[in-house]
Amino acid sequence: GAVVSQHPSWVICKSGTSVKIECRSLDFQATTMFWYRQFPKQSLMLMATSNEGSKATYEQGVEKDKFLINHASLTLSTLTVTSAHPEDSSFYICSAIREGATQYFGPGTRLTVL
Amino acid sequence: AQSVTQLDSQVPVFEEAPVELRCNYSSSVSVYLFWYVQYPNQGLQLLLKYLSGSTLVKGINGFEAEFNKSQTSFHLRKPSVHISDTAEYFCAVSDEGNQFYFGTGTSLTVIP
Repeated sequence: GAVVSQHPSWVICKSGTSVKIECRSLDFQATTMFWYRQFPKQSLMLMATSNEGSKATYEQGVEKDKFLINHASLTLSTLTVTSAHPEDSSFYICSAIREGATQYFGPGTRLTVL
Repeated sequence: AQSVTQLDSQVPVFEEAPVELRCNYSSSVSVYLFWYVQYPNQGLQLLLKYLSGSTLVKGINGFEAEFNKSQTSFHLRKPSVHISDTAEYFCAVSDEGNQFYFGTGTSLTVIP
């Protein structure tokens, strides 16, 4: 099956710093990737749709300047959490669309902001 | 717009017993339907999907689901569960524009 990787798997940072999370499709090209946020024992919340070569589409209530998304190539999308604060601590999951309109998910990145 | 309802937030079941996790959706257009499983601190893994064709879909780990258009349901079933099936299960629906909508999840706990 399709493989999507994320790096890092877990990051701890100080409040006020920026953190970059990478999402890669390893064996296929993905023109569209999605970024989700998941709080403990809750469902996934779509943050934004990342489109290769164009600006990301953000969901209502998601701060564009806070969560910077760059989809620089057909296999890589990055999410940068700028000036992170403790309330940004969460589990961030990316996914990529492959044929058949199927989303394949990365393993997730746990962000802890101290 | 589409929406997904998972009626049971928690389902405890004894080992080797059958289980059904319910999922209903609402949509005004043709949809694709998915079930994903999430183990603690991991991403989502695709269990099975319905895109077209046979309404009975078989997936990994012995799971299957049946698409029922008249009842707008896509319930997940397994005839005999194992301890390793303990996880969070998410139903999702996608429209032809590839927008995904997730249910709130069902926590399956298999009791030895």
